[in-house]
Amino acid sequence: EIVLTQSPGTLSLSPGERATLSCRASQSVSSNYIAWYQQKPGQAPRLLIYGASNRAPGIPDRFSGSGSGTDFTLTISRLEPEDFAVYYCQQYGTSPSITFGQGTRLEIK
Amino acid sequence: EVQLVESGGSLVKPGGSLRLSCAASGFTFSSYSMNWVRQAPGKGLEWVSSVSTVTTYKYYAASVRGRFTISRDNTQNSLYLQMTSLSAEDTAVYYCARDRYGGYELDYWGQGTLVTVSS
Repeated sequence: EIVLTQSPGTLSLSPGERATLSCRASQSVSSNYIAWYQQKPGQAPRLLIYGASNRAPGIPDRFSGSGSGTDFTLTISRLEPEDFAVYYCQQYGTSPSITFGQGTRLEIK
Repeated sequence: EVQLVESGGSLVKPGGSLRLSCAASGFTFSSYSMNWVRQAPGKGLEWVSSVSTVTTYKYYAASVRGRFTISRDNTQNSLYLQMTSLSAEDTAVYYCARDRYGGYELDYWGQGTLVTVSS
């Protein structure tokens, strides 16, 4: 089973700053199988990035994804107030089919 | 507009059973694999189960295998999760989520239904 470890657990930044969130896999993962989600309190998760670097429809271009092998990154170029939320990475595998990282909380400094 | 609406969550006693439903609209339901994902209070996301378009393939997380059964009715555009032998560890919001077509992620999610297992 591939384990995804996200860091940091909590990231405190100010609006306008750049956010860099990390997701490390316990073994190499195809980039096709990595996605990122945003979840705000009381809401369902929203798909941001798929295939490690492709923005989902309607996602602003300040969100970008990158990485390969075991290291993947979600970058938010200039934080907007609505970006403060919890972010999860996800990988698709065989057993279990889908696993999530434990999440990174992005909070206002 | 794609919509997924879960129902069936409630308070149930340990050892009890519950059936969750997810009503889908706004897309060709029969063309998409579907999933259940849960989130315990204050915790992260945990994938629970998935089913392929015509139920040929069903997959389960180890934590629920043998206790939960996923099913779908393409004539009713509905997804189901039959849960048995429930324990406190199953307490969570249960989300219905759609596979992105041809992809490996979940592109639409319902708002969730809360299952509480407590005596």
